[in-house]
Amino acid sequence: AQSVSQHNHHVILSEAASLELGCNYSYGGTVNLFWYVQYPGQHLQLLLKYFSGDPLVKGIKGFEAEFIKSKFSFNLRKPSVQWSDTAEYFCAVTPGTGRRALTFGSGTRLQVQP
Amino acid sequence: NAGVTQTPKFRILKIGQSMTLQCTQDMNHNYMYWYRQDPGMGLKLIYYSVGAGITDKGEVPNGYNVSRSTTEDFPLRLELAAPSQTSVYFCASSGNYEQYFGPGTRLTVT
Repeated sequence: AQSVSQHNHHVILSEAASLELGCNYSYGGTVNLFWYVQYPGQHLQLLLKYFSGDPLVKGIKGFEAEFIKSKFSFNLRKPSVQWSDTAEYFCAVTPGTGRRALTFGSGTRLQVQP
Repeated sequence: NAGVTQTPKFRILKIGQSMTLQCTQDMNHNYMYWYRQDPGMGLKLIYYSVGAGITDKGEVPNGYNVSRSTTEDFPLRLELAAPSQTSVYFCASSGNYEQYFGPGTRLTVT
């Protein structure tokens, strides 16, 4: 079974700082990778996804993520965070074929200070 | 187009009571899922369905039951509520691999 690790549980940044959130997964086959965001009091929304092709994917709100197959990683980045990016961020994975239910990491709570 | 809707938004149950969490999607998705979210634990899969009449267990199915009589609806049933079932419950649906989530139900069992 696959698993997902998010090493940063709580990150505090000032506005305009750069962001990188780590995500590592364990699964031997092909995978689909996702980052979801949960703003306070809201449901999960998709930030970006990787299925195949260019390992650098761009999502909404200026976020991007890079898939590094050799490191089993899918780190999320943003060059300059805003106060409105305060939220919880979840990395998730499904196998490339077959089962479609997501396996989630434990989440990273991002707090951006104005 | 409402997406995925869930009712109720909040509920307090006493130990041993039963209830059904409702989930409806209007995107004609075949796949539907129930997750629970506990603080610091991420989301865990309870049950999922690949189409009407077909359901299967996820990682944490104990204490729950589901049914899928239509494409649109995927209710989650708690038969004998226990404090360990205090959590936030999310329903999701997908056509392919991208899942769409409902707003959640916050359940407290006391």
